[in-house]
Amino acid sequence: QKEVEQDPGPLSVPEGAIVSLNCTYSNSAFQYFMWYRQYSRKGPELLMYTYSSGNKEDGRFTAQVDKSSKYISLFIRDSQPSDSATYLCAFYEQLTFGSGTQLTVLP
Amino acid sequence: SAVISQKPSRDICQRGTSLTIQCQVDSQVTMMFWYRQQPGQSLTLIATANQGSEATYESGFVIDKFPISRPNLTFSTLTVSNMSPEDSSIYLCSVTGPYGYTFGSGTRLTVV
Repeated sequence: QKEVEQDPGPLSVPEGAIVSLNCTYSNSAFQYFMWYRQYSRKGPELLMYTYSSGNKEDGRFTAQVDKSSKYISLFIRDSQPSDSATYLCAFYEQLTFGSGTQLTVLP
Repeated sequence: SAVISQKPSRDICQRGTSLTIQCQVDSQVTMMFWYRQQPGQSLTLIATANQGSEATYESGFVIDKFPISRPNLTFSTLTVSNMSPEDSSIYLCSVTGPYGYTFGSGTRLTVV
């Protein structure tokens, strides 16, 4: 079993759609969760972080953590073409990253 | 959070040669991290570089292939040695920030 599994695969949605990105993890020692956004030909940039179960909202973005199920999600509301990027979940304790989801928002 | 300048941003290199990638941070940091991101894949940690000591390499990465220097608290280099096409990848440096990790813009390496 991989330590981190990220889904979905490449995702293409119309502008204004709600996007759901998900990661499952197996290491119960993970306590600090992050989502990174990576535009083409750029390094990853920290989008959101949280260390507790529940929801954390920042504008159109919501990070959700369920530690009991070892499951984290990132929701993007009212998606925009400028949101087109690769999104990676990340876990601070062991510098572990998900495989990334490439999101394309079509105008 | 810290700002990282990484260079070169991209390079095309001949098989068998070496390339040195530089990262400059605008503040002093204890640890710097070097990652590889192969096409369509996630980030894989190559090594952790502390100033004044040998870098610590992850499984599958060795110093002879990826020598690292860390001469001071704001600068580090990663050399990709004796390159082969399999080394074609994006290489990224990173430092710890207040809320997560900050990355350089990456070096896109193509080996021909």
